[in-house]
Amino acid sequence: DLQMTQSPSSLSASVGDRVTITCRASQNIHIYLNWYQQKPGKAPKLLIFGASSLQSGVPSTIIGTGSGTDFNLTFTSLEPEDFATYYCQESSTTGTFGPGTKVEMK
Amino acid sequence: QVQLQESGPGLVRPSGTLSLTCTVSGGPISSDYWSWIRQPPGKGLEWIGYVFYTGSTNYNPALKSRVTMSMDMSKNQFFLQLTSVTAADTAIYYCARRLRLRPIGIGLDPWGQGTLVIVSS
Repeated sequence: DLQMTQSPSSLSASVGDRVTITCRASQNIHIYLNWYQQKPGKAPKLLIFGASSLQSGVPSTIIGTGSGTDFNLTFTSLEPEDFATYYCQESSTTGTFGPGTKVEMK
Repeated sequence: QVQLQESGPGLVRPSGTLSLTCTVSGGPISSDYWSWIRQPPGKGLEWIGYVFYTGSTNYNPALKSRVTMSMDMSKNQFFLQLTSVTAADTAIYYCARRLRLRPIGIGLDPWGQGTLVIVSS
């Protein structure tokens, strides 16, 4: 079975920081990788699909990279609204999610 | 724009069947795949499966023996049934559109607000 992992599980950062979250697939998923943002009490929101394509309305300060098994989500300058939990999801087979990374304010 | 809304009982007895409805507004359900995802309180997301208007389905192997998804195009609704539930099935259940995106990719967008289902006697 395809497994998704994320690191770190949580991090503390400040507004303006450059932050990178990593997602790894247990097998080659090409670029079929999505990133979602979830805030407390809210449904997840699609940020990035196809590993690097921004969903409509997502600021260009958020960058997705990677292919194959290793992927990154980078915030070039963290904004106050970016503090949330982030999940990666593969879409090459079923739709397995990673365990999530919580980005907290330092 | 397309909006989704989950509905169904908030409490289900152990060994019973969980039944949820997702009502779609703003567009026909015959044009896309439709998914269910769940999230136990304080934990991560688990993909349950998806259904297409042709009746085609794809389920999480871990849940496949207990899951059935279906659609009613006349009501613009799709459904989730999960049998033989236990406390481990307590979660917020979300419905979402599984969308093919350009240039390449498949993502879940939009999502419903979610509905909490508790399995307890």
